[in-house]
Amino acid sequence: QQQVKQSPQSLIVQKGGISIINCAYENTAFDYFPWYQQFPGKGPALLIAIRPDVSEKKEGRFTISFNKSAKQFSLHIMDSQPGDSATYFCAASTGNQFYFGTGTSLTVIP
Amino acid sequence: DAGITQSPRHKVTETGTPVTLRCHQTENHRYMYWYRQDPGHGLRLIHYSYGVKDTDKGEVSDGYSVSRSKTEDFLLTLESATSSQTSVYFCAISGGGGNTIYFGEGSWLTVV
Repeated sequence: QQQVKQSPQSLIVQKGGISIINCAYENTAFDYFPWYQQFPGKGPALLIAIRPDVSEKKEGRFTISFNKSAKQFSLHIMDSQPGDSATYFCAASTGNQFYFGTGTSLTVIP
Repeated sequence: DAGITQSPRHKVTETGTPVTLRCHQTENHRYMYWYRQDPGHGLRLIHYSYGVKDTDKGEVSDGYSVSRSKTEDFLLTLESATSSQTSVYFCAISGGGGNTIYFGEGSWLTVV
């Protein structure tokens, strides 16, 4: 059973556009929600993370929106650039257990 | 970088042979994890460790064993490799207490 459901599986966006990736979870015990960025041949790298006591967190062009009541969170990439082309994973954790979405392959077209 | 070194980075092995992947950390983190990454499945937990000689199974542990004799090293062993274990394996570490998890660069394993 997938603890964290991620969509879409793939996404193509024009340069300068907004990329939006969505995740949903069921376990209300989750208390930490990180996003990872992975380039081909590399390991996932922490991009941005949020805890459920806030509804939004922004770091540069990357924003997490968090809806606790709906048990959903999303990653918004503003002014998307070709260098943002990568696979993005959402995750949720409780204690020391981490659960990952299946990933979204983002392609930003110049 | 999170101070995680995986070895080997690439390996081709034959079905039925034993394989050991090594993860070494320089962060003195308590928790260490082994994940495998496959298309359509994302990252799936194989085993994890919460201290020296303290390990537990993840969701895809069948066919794998682990050992942690020192804080800095976490070994993943495939006792008898099968083609279904062809995958990319990632080691990860965490300081615990709700802190985030950091990944190594991965080990590409092909079982032929």
